[in-house]
Amino acid sequence: AQTVTQSQPEMSVQEAETVTLSCTYDTSESDYYLFWYKQPPSRQMILVIRQEAYKQQNATENRFSVNFQKAAKSFSLKISDSQLGDAAMYFCAYRSGNDMRFGAGTRLTVKP
Amino acid sequence: GAVVSQHPSWVICKSGTSVKIECRSLDFQATTMFWYRQFPKQSLMLMATSNEGSKATYEQGVEKDKFLINHASLTLSTLTVTSAHPEDSSFYICSARELRPPTNEKLFFGSGTQLSVL
Repeated sequence: AQTVTQSQPEMSVQEAETVTLSCTYDTSESDYYLFWYKQPPSRQMILVIRQEAYKQQNATENRFSVNFQKAAKSFSLKISDSQLGDAAMYFCAYRSGNDMRFGAGTRLTVKP
Repeated sequence: GAVVSQHPSWVICKSGTSVKIECRSLDFQATTMFWYRQFPKQSLMLMATSNEGSKATYEQGVEKDKFLINHASLTLSTLTVTSAHPEDSSFYICSARELRPPTNEKLFFGSGTQLSVL
């Protein structure tokens, strides 16, 4: 079974600084997608960034970027210039076909 | 962007009653919808995958007779918690997968339903 592991239950960053959230996954599939979702206190899941496994180039979305290491099955999220509004739970997720799995989550705190 | 409407956002019911949660894709057709359960401070656990016009596929350990899923159209899936008990109290979230590329690798989430069973 596919698994997604987030080894950092909590992370903290100073406002305007950079933080990296870690994620590893395990799969035998060759075609899959990876995602980072943000879940603020409202509990609405918000897509932060996604990466297609067949693409070597790391995805970027404004202040958010990923470091996708396919051979190592690693998919970390870097948040640059952290803002107070970035504080939330962050979930790493994997999808292949209809199989969608989430990591345990990392709670990010942003200090003013 | 695509919108998924989930209703109700919260519900309180007595033990033994049934509760229906609706998940609608408002501006796209969703061939596949997913239902998740989330306990406080925990991750989303996939309960079942529903495909329009066919029976849902349940994850191991999820009682299909307890959690009835119906996906009667390309825009609506429902989850019915039958004979609810306090241990069924949880946050339930649906997500919908869009039919057409190039966005079919995206999932759109509903806003969730907090179920409290007394």
